[in-house]
Amino acid sequence: NAGVTQTPKFRILKIGQSMTLQCAQDMNHNYMYWYRQDPGMGLKLIYYSVGAGITDKGEVPNGYNVSRSTTEDFPLRLELAAPSQTSVYFCASSYSPTTEAFFGQGTRLTVV
Amino acid sequence: TQLLEQSPQFLSIQEGENLTVYCNSSSVFSSLQWYRQEPGEGPVLLVTVVTGGEVKKLKRLTFQFGDARKDSSLHITAAQPGDTGLYLCAGGASGGSNYKLTFGKGTLLTVNP
Repeated sequence: NAGVTQTPKFRILKIGQSMTLQCAQDMNHNYMYWYRQDPGMGLKLIYYSVGAGITDKGEVPNGYNVSRSTTEDFPLRLELAAPSQTSVYFCASSYSPTTEAFFGQGTRLTVV
Repeated sequence: TQLLEQSPQFLSIQEGENLTVYCNSSSVFSSLQWYRQEPGEGPVLLVTVVTGGEVKKLKRLTFQFGDARKDSSLHITAAQPGDTGLYLCAGGASGGSNYKLTFGKGTLLTVNP
């Protein structure tokens, strides 16, 4: 049982480049989330989805975009990367917002 | 916007001491979860509390949900170095426009041998 799989694990981007962080879950969860975590801090919600075809903004959506074409996949797109987007990104999924969220291993992104 | 305030933000104690971490909000949550995160890993669920006034115990950890379901606490008895990590509370709400899981900033606990 793979759970939540994120790729890549590490990435270095130059300012202005774009990339997509991949997230896939095999638990048939409707809810999926993207968080970013800065050093020593908690998790800030970027975007979330309550099911295929439905996405909504979280606390810090600027500079990011998402799509949810299937239940399994929830990719996060960074357009025109900026140093402020240097962070660790976590994808998570859950059956509902009040039940356990399962997290991926994270993607450590550095923008230089 | 639902905000969860955790305190303290940092805590460094000696092995064997007791500690309490607090999670407060002005909003009511359907459930409140506590997670623990170790360096380089994603958060892992410790417990979920759903009923106002509920108390749950997990070995040396005691979790309490406030009567009004706006706050929670985590108490650790006789802390051990293995308890070191980032403790995060998260509130979930179902219904309305708040059907998402929101995290506090976390409490970074260091237990020194």
